[in-house]
Amino acid sequence: DIQMTQSPSSLSASVGDRVTITCRASQSISSYLNWYQQKPGEAPKLLIYAASDLQSGVSSRFSGSGSGTDYTLTINNLQPEDFATYYCQQSYSPPPITFGQGTRLEIK
Amino acid sequence: QVQLVESGGGLVKPGGSLRLSCVASGFTFSDYYMNWIRQAPGKGLEWVAYISSSGSTIYYADSVKGRFTFSRDNAKNSLLLQLTSLRADDTAVYYCARGFTRTRFGFDVWGQGTMVTVSS
Repeated sequence: DIQMTQSPSSLSASVGDRVTITCRASQSISSYLNWYQQKPGEAPKLLIYAASDLQSGVSSRFSGSGSGTDYTLTINNLQPEDFATYYCQQSYSPPPITFGQGTRLEIK
Repeated sequence: QVQLVESGGGLVKPGGSLRLSCVASGFTFSDYYMNWIRQAPGKGLEWVAYISSSGSTIYYADSVKGRFTFSRDNAKNSLLLQLTSLRADDTAVYYCARGFTRTRFGFDVWGQGTMVTVSS
């Protein structure tokens, strides 16, 4: 199974900051990497697919990059509504489909 | 609008069974692969099962294989997840999620979730 490791597990940032979350796969996943945002009490929301493609309706402040085993989610100009938990997910080699453990983004 | 609505969750004793349903609306259900994903209280996301658009291909996570059964009825725009031999570590919110067609095995529409609690 492909293991997904996110870092950091949590971080604190301020409105207007730029933050980067990293996801590392245990083997190459050829950009089959998706990012989700989840707010408390809500279902996850797809932000980025195929490592760098922005899902329709998602703010352009979100961007993704990476290849091979290493991927990043960047959020520019943090807004209050961005404080949430973020998950990466590999879709290269199912089954199983695997998620990272999540990164909790908190307001500083 | 595009919507998924789960139901069937509840409190069940260890070793018991439960049937979860997910009804889809607002899109051509038979065109999409579908999934169940769960989230234990305070924990991360765990993929549970996948079913192809026709229902001919089904995958399960090792943690549920042999205990859960996933099926779909395209005529009724619905999914069914039969849970048996339930254990305490099956306690979670169970989400049904639509397969995203622009990349394989992504999830672009999620239901609100249904809570399953396994406890004596």
